[in-house]
Amino acid sequence: AQKVTQAQTEISVVEKEDVTLDCVYETRDTTYYLFWYKQPPSGELVFLIRRNSFDEQNEISGRYSWNFQKSTSSFNFTITASQVVDSAVYFCALTPAYTGTASKLTFGTGTRLQVTL
Amino acid sequence: DGGITQSPKYLFRKEGQNVTLSCEQNLNHDAMYWYRQDPGQGLRLIYYSQIVNDFQKGDIAEGYSVSREKKESFPLTVTSAQKNPTAFYLCASSTPGDGAGELFFGEGSRLTVL
Repeated sequence: AQKVTQAQTEISVVEKEDVTLDCVYETRDTTYYLFWYKQPPSGELVFLIRRNSFDEQNEISGRYSWNFQKSTSSFNFTITASQVVDSAVYFCALTPAYTGTASKLTFGTGTRLQVTL
Repeated sequence: DGGITQSPKYLFRKEGQNVTLSCEQNLNHDAMYWYRQDPGQGLRLIYYSQIVNDFQKGDIAEGYSVSREKKESFPLTVTSAQKNPTAFYLCASSTPGDGAGELFFGEGSRLTVL
């Protein structure tokens, strides 16, 4: 069975602060994919990143960065110099890699980020 | 623009009534999904379909039914057998990719049972 834990239910920061959202996962699969999605108030989830379990390189995209550590089963997400537009619910998700068309993601419970002026 | 369209955005239902939520995509994706979102519980998979005329149960399929007669459409029926149907429902489709394709989501349908 797979599990994704996002222990931080809600985080509040002031604009320009850095913030890290934690994600810890459990899986017995040797090959898997990890994802981060953003859910703004409009409701739809927006894809942010996908990471293969074989690729432990950290990734940076603008103000966003991701730290994947297989040894601790974590895939943390950092927003540098946060902005009000970053306010949203962020979900971490996991799926085993297998031959098939469907992506059966297991989602964490989400972290609500509130960025204020 | 390509994307996922869900309707209605808000829906109210009396207990004992079936209701159907619409999901249409013009992304030419083979796979489509229905998720349920409850406060504090994240997203849970209800049903998914990898191809037309085929679908499989997800983790919480009881009380729900789906059909996939066209590639573009994947409607979800919430039946009277669903004990606690009030929730936010999200439809998604995915690109092919070793079972790990990126999911594209609609804006959701919020169902309230009165």
